[in-house]
Amino acid sequence: QKEVEQDPGPLSVPEGAIVSLNCTYSNSAFQYFMWYRQYSRKGPELLMYTYSSGNKEDGRFTAQVDKSSKYISLFIRDSQPSDSATYLCAMSDGIGGSGGSNYKLTFGKGTLLTVNP
Amino acid sequence: GAVVSQHPSRVICKSGTSVKIECRSLDFQATTMFWYRQFPKKSLMLMATSNEGSKATYEQGVEKDKFLINHASLTLSTLTVTSAHPEDSSFYICSARKQGDYGYTFGSGTRLTVV
Repeated sequence: QKEVEQDPGPLSVPEGAIVSLNCTYSNSAFQYFMWYRQYSRKGPELLMYTYSSGNKEDGRFTAQVDKSSKYISLFIRDSQPSDSATYLCAMSDGIGGSGGSNYKLTFGKGTLLTVNP
Repeated sequence: GAVVSQHPSRVICKSGTSVKIECRSLDFQATTMFWYRQFPKKSLMLMATSNEGSKATYEQGVEKDKFLINHASLTLSTLTVTSAHPEDSSFYICSARKQGDYGYTFGSGTRLTVV
């Protein structure tokens, strides 16, 4: 079993739909959870960051973490064609350190999302 | 926010030659940077952790002599692909974390094509 499982999709939705993206993980040491968006041939950009269990909202995006189930989600409301990209979940068991961090991120495979106008 | 600059964005080289990729943290210092490799429609694969002033830590299966990493300053790490072959063609991405930030910032990536 891989440490982080993510359905690669592809996922195609009409504009305005609510999108739900999910990841499961097996390492109970993970405490920091992130969602990245990656456009084709570009580096990933951080969308959401969550520590431990709970919800976090930022505009049209909501991230949820359920550590008891080892399950994280990203919801996109009122999806737009510009949201079309690959969404990667990532997690680590630490984040600290001065001048940077030496905690590795473990990524899911990424879900390719297309929002159709 | 934090900015990580990666150069070049695209490079084509002949088989057997070496290619250097630069990763710079523009507005912060990073004692640690990470180098990833990404195949088409695949996730990011961590290759190595670059440590300023010391040797890089390579992930299992990554050839140290092929992928040379130098982190000579707190804002610059370089990845040199030595004696490149077509199978080294890939998308290479670096990342770092600015102290105080929660997430990691990624460079824009370098697409390497070896012909």
